[in-house]
Amino acid sequence: IQMTQSPSSLSASVGDRVTITCRASLGIRNDLAWYQQKPGKAPQRLIYAASSLQSGVPSRFSGSGYGTEFTLTIRSLQPEDFATYYCLQHNFYPWTFGQGTKVEIK
Amino acid sequence: EVQLLESGGGLVQPGGSLRLSCAASGFTFMNYAMGWVRQAPGKGLEWVSGLSGSGGITHSADSVKGRFTISRDNSKNTLYLQMDSLRAEDTAIYYCAKDSTYYYDSSGYDSWGQGTLVTVSS
Repeated sequence: IQMTQSPSSLSASVGDRVTITCRASLGIRNDLAWYQQKPGKAPQRLIYAASSLQSGVPSRFSGSGYGTEFTLTIRSLQPEDFATYYCLQHNFYPWTFGQGTKVEIK
Repeated sequence: EVQLLESGGGLVQPGGSLRLSCAASGFTFMNYAMGWVRQAPGKGLEWVSGLSGSGGITHSADSVKGRFTISRDNSKNTLYLQMDSLRAEDTAIYYCAKDSTYYYDSSGYDSWGQGTLVTVSS
């Protein structure tokens, strides 16, 4: 399954609303997770089952979608949110990640 | 607290072999599927291989199939990745990751190690 993530990068300001999209080449139900990765660090899960918030993750992060279209939204971007974000489909093997979205400071 | 500590990375020549280990603690290791994910320098994440809690079910990416073997020793709480016939394109940070379930009804990886760097070069 191919995961097409867009955009590949974006520039935004603190307080902005940011939306990242992943599209699956086949339906994957809600078997999708979102990860945040900061430079030199391991990824951290933000969202699982497409829309469930990982414990400890701020509520400004939210996920939605089912089947082939999924969205990660950051409601009000904070300085610590500048990072790269990845989606992961785990419905079919081999599991596949999106290409990543780098969120940079405008 | 879940802890995953990878080891075994290093410099290896093309065609060579390396075995990565991931020592797990803070959870009942045998109850969870595990996996390996890699990241080439400056690139995105690539899923490499995964296996069930017992180790009886394994899956691998096409890019490593026939060359890499994932396994686990539940008595030692350790995950392994045996890498043979290494190529330059296998150069990456290799992360060990814990699944959220034994195998079925996964919700993806919920914990990750800090990674170990593998460099394949002559």
